[in-house]
Amino acid sequence: AQTVTQSQPEMSVQEAETVTLSCTYDTSESDYYLFWYKQPPSRQMILVIRQEAYKQQNATENRFSVNFQKAAKSFSLKISDSQLGDAAMYFCAYDMRFGAGTRLTVKP
Amino acid sequence: DAGVIQSPRHEVTEMGQEVTLRCKPISGHNSLFWYRQTMMRGLELLIYFNNNVPIDDSGMPEDRFSAKMPNASFSTLKIQPSEPRDSAVYFCASSYEAGSSYNEQFFGPGTRLTVL
Repeated sequence: AQTVTQSQPEMSVQEAETVTLSCTYDTSESDYYLFWYKQPPSRQMILVIRQEAYKQQNATENRFSVNFQKAAKSFSLKISDSQLGDAAMYFCAYDMRFGAGTRLTVKP
Repeated sequence: DAGVIQSPRHEVTEMGQEVTLRCKPISGHNSLFWYRQTMMRGLELLIYFNNNVPIDDSGMPEDRFSAKMPNASFSTLKIQPSEPRDSAVYFCASSYEAGSSYNEQFFGPGTRLTVL
C-alpha cells in the first residue's frame, strides 16, 4: 500500500531561522511526483513545492527547498529565513495520499 | 480563474438528516477528489473521479456515503443518514491528470460539517 509518513507532529522555529520537516513514503513506482502543501488557519490547502522523481535536482521555490532522496524514499522540506506567515500545518503528499501533517510554529 | 468552489462552507445538521455537499472543479480539470479531514485521522481520500467516472471509492466509510459526478463541472457528496462521527471538514480538489503522472491538486475552501 502507498503510505506517507510524517514523524514530526509539531515543529517550532525562530523567525529568520531555518527548519526542516521530514517525510518518508512508500512506493514501487519509478516515476512519480511528490508534493508539500501548506494549510494555514484559514484551512485553505496551498501547494508549496513539487518534486518530480525522475529529476535528480532538488526542487526550490524561493525560501522553500526539498531534500529528495529517492533510494531512501525520503522527501524533506526546508524552510529558510522563516517568517511568521509560514506558521501552518504542512502536509507531504504522494499520489492521492497525505501524511498526518506537521504543525509549524514560528516564534518572533 | 475562480478556483475550486465548494458549498456550503458550513453545515450544521441533526443526526439522521441527509447532507449534500457540492463541488465545482476548475474548468479543464479531469480529475476530482473528495477528502475528509479530522484531528484524529488527518486527511483521508474518500473517492476519486477521472473523466466523471469513479475510479477509487475504497475510502468511502460506509453505505451512508455516496458521491456522484454527473458532468465535468459538478460533483456531490451525500451522507444519508448523517451521524455525529461524520463531523469533519470535507474538501474537494481537482487536477489535470496527464497520462500516468499526477499533477498538483487544487483544493476548495472546504465544508465544515457538524452533526449534532
